[in-house]
Amino acid sequence: QYVLTQPPSASGTPGQRVTISCSGSSSNIGTNTVNWYQQLPGTAPKLLIYSSDQRPSGVPDRFSGSKSGTSASLAISGLQSEDEADYYCAAWDGSLNGVVFGGGTKVAVL
Amino acid sequence: EVQLVESGGGLVQPGGSLRLSCAASGFTFSSYEMNWVRQAPGKGLEWVSFMTSSGRNIYYADSVKGRFTISRDNAQNSLYLQMNSLRAEDTAIYYCARRLGYSYLAAFDLWGQGTMVTVSS
Repeated sequence: QYVLTQPPSASGTPGQRVTISCSGSSSNIGTNTVNWYQQLPGTAPKLLIYSSDQRPSGVPDRFSGSKSGTSASLAISGLQSEDEADYYCAAWDGSLNGVVFGGGTKVAVL
Repeated sequence: EVQLVESGGGLVQPGGSLRLSCAASGFTFSSYEMNWVRQAPGKGLEWVSFMTSSGRNIYYADSVKGRFTISRDNAQNSLYLQMNSLRAEDTAIYYCARRLGYSYLAAFDLWGQGTMVTVSS
């Protein structure tokens, strides 16, 4: 259903480190950079990471991204209650000639 | 203020049409490539369409190809989505989103608040 594969959920206690994976293929993550979005309940998505590991201004350095081969990861260190949200990865797919998203990962702060 | 504001959503019967608008302000709209992204109730994000700043290049998701048409009026700082032959599965919040820059293919740094489209009889 979704071209990029993410785990449906992740969780951690305040202060912990949480990692979200995003798996794709050679036509998307394998040849293009990955972007991550945070969507708080009832709001529009917000760009969190672009070009696989770059943070837009205003995004805390607790958020970091990485990419290796056809997979990417988003890490949240020092987890805070306000980090409870849905997180989506996205990349351009050269075979589909379009943007593909992962199905989203809901992060819960226990 | 830098913002995107969508409008035009509503309830439409299957097979019907709707035109969404996205008004941009606070930045040079004509310099940016623009997209439509949708989100069905309780579901994830789905990219719908993309148009370059000049309007010369356009791409669509397979799910809407042949039914939806993206357009823009740089003089009016506006982006549009004409949706025809609507289906129940097109029910979603529709967001317009600005691409960060020319080489940032899937990085959308500015989003509107979204407009809800419901396709139902």
